[in-house]
Amino acid sequence: AQSVAQPEDQVNVAEGNPLTVKCTYSVSGNPYLFWYVQYPNRGLQFLLKYITGDNLVKGSYGFEAEFNKSQTSFHLKKPSALVSDSALYFCAVRDWTGFQKLVFGTGTRLLVSP
Amino acid sequence: DGGITQSPKYLFRKEGQNVTLSCEQNLNHDAMYWYRQDPGQGLRLIYYSQIVNDFQKGDIAEGYSVSREKKESFPLTVTSAQKNPTAFYLCASSGTSGSGEQYFGPGTRLTVT
Repeated sequence: AQSVAQPEDQVNVAEGNPLTVKCTYSVSGNPYLFWYVQYPNRGLQFLLKYITGDNLVKGSYGFEAEFNKSQTSFHLKKPSALVSDSALYFCAVRDWTGFQKLVFGTGTRLLVSP
Repeated sequence: DGGITQSPKYLFRKEGQNVTLSCEQNLNHDAMYWYRQDPGQGLRLIYYSQIVNDFQKGDIAEGYSVSREKKESFPLTVTSAQKNPTAFYLCASSGTSGSGEQYFGPGTRLTVT
């Protein structure tokens, strides 16, 4: 079965410092991987995806993610964090056992302090 | 949130009442989905629909029902059989070709007392 693990419930980082939000996955089939961000009482916003090709994927708002097949990881990164990046981040993997279904992690809360 | 609307944003109901949550999209997507979000549990799939007049149960369909009479609309009814209906409900849609990323509405927070 497809699954995603986000090992950290919360990540704290100071503004201006680099940030990393971790995600590992398990999938039978090609790993189609996604990152979403959620601000309080809002829907999820798509940030970026990995389908194939370059292991470093660039997305919205300066975020990027690094796909590592040997470690089955897809960590979200940003070189310099902003206070406005504080939000809930979800990693997801495509579930090949069902039509266009995504399996989501439990989310990681990112808190960027001024 | 662009392209998918959910209404209302907040909804309050008494226990034992059925309630219907609205979801409309103008993205011309064939597939639509309903998720439930609870603190610390991520998103759980309730129902999904690949095409008009067809829908499938997700992981937690008990106590919920849906219809898909139009491509643009996928309403969710939370019935009185749902044991713990208080939650944040998210609707999403996706195209049927491509990588499968989903686009989400702003959500409806349902409180049942």
